[in-house]
Amino acid sequence: SQQGEEDPQALSIQEGENATMNCSYKTSINNLQWYRQNSGRGLVHLILIRSNEREKHSGRLRVTLDTSKKSSSLLITASRAADTASYFCADTGNQFYFGTGTSLTVIP
Amino acid sequence: DTEVTQTPKHLVMGMTNKKSLKCEQHMGHRAMYWYKQKAKKPPELMFVYSYEKLSINESVPSRFSPECPNSSLLNLHLHALQPEDSALYLCASSQVPDSYYGYTFGSGTRLTVV
Repeated sequence: SQQGEEDPQALSIQEGENATMNCSYKTSINNLQWYRQNSGRGLVHLILIRSNEREKHSGRLRVTLDTSKKSSSLLITASRAADTASYFCADTGNQFYFGTGTSLTVIP
Repeated sequence: DTEVTQTPKHLVMGMTNKKSLKCEQHMGHRAMYWYKQKAKKPPELMFVYSYEKLSINESVPSRFSPECPNSSLLNLHLHALQPEDSALYLCASSQVPDSYYGYTFGSGTRLTVV
């Protein structure tokens, strides 16, 4: 399958805590993108990490990429209630296919 | 303009109806996509248009018919749908196909087939 797998499927944390979600592929990873989707809405592009990068930061987001393990992780620090959403990974090398997603709930 | 606009936002149609979903972007993107998303599932790719030509059709039933009249507009024509086709239909665009810069998504059309 070209689809990435994410874990956990669901994550519930208190506001202020950090949230970590992981994405893995059976095939090799090229450039990995992370998206957020609020309930019933479109996806919003969060961050992209290139295949030759190991770590990237954007505000409260930190993304890592391990091409040897074919996996990536997204860390959201100091979470807020507004971060409650589903998070998906997508590998541009696997053309347009999204990971299974992690549903994050941040409790105020 | 950095948006992808989808209309209508909600659509209820009978199984014998013909309707169309519309998607528009004015960012100069040359790739446009239709995705179908069921509840608690990731978006599933349906069609890809690259430079106004259909480049990928993910074995979608013929009751879904895409059309790309120009580089800014993408339509999805619906005919004789089934209740299981009820879903959120998302349109997206990117600068070029499989873009390094990511996709811009519309807010979607919530389709209910009765």
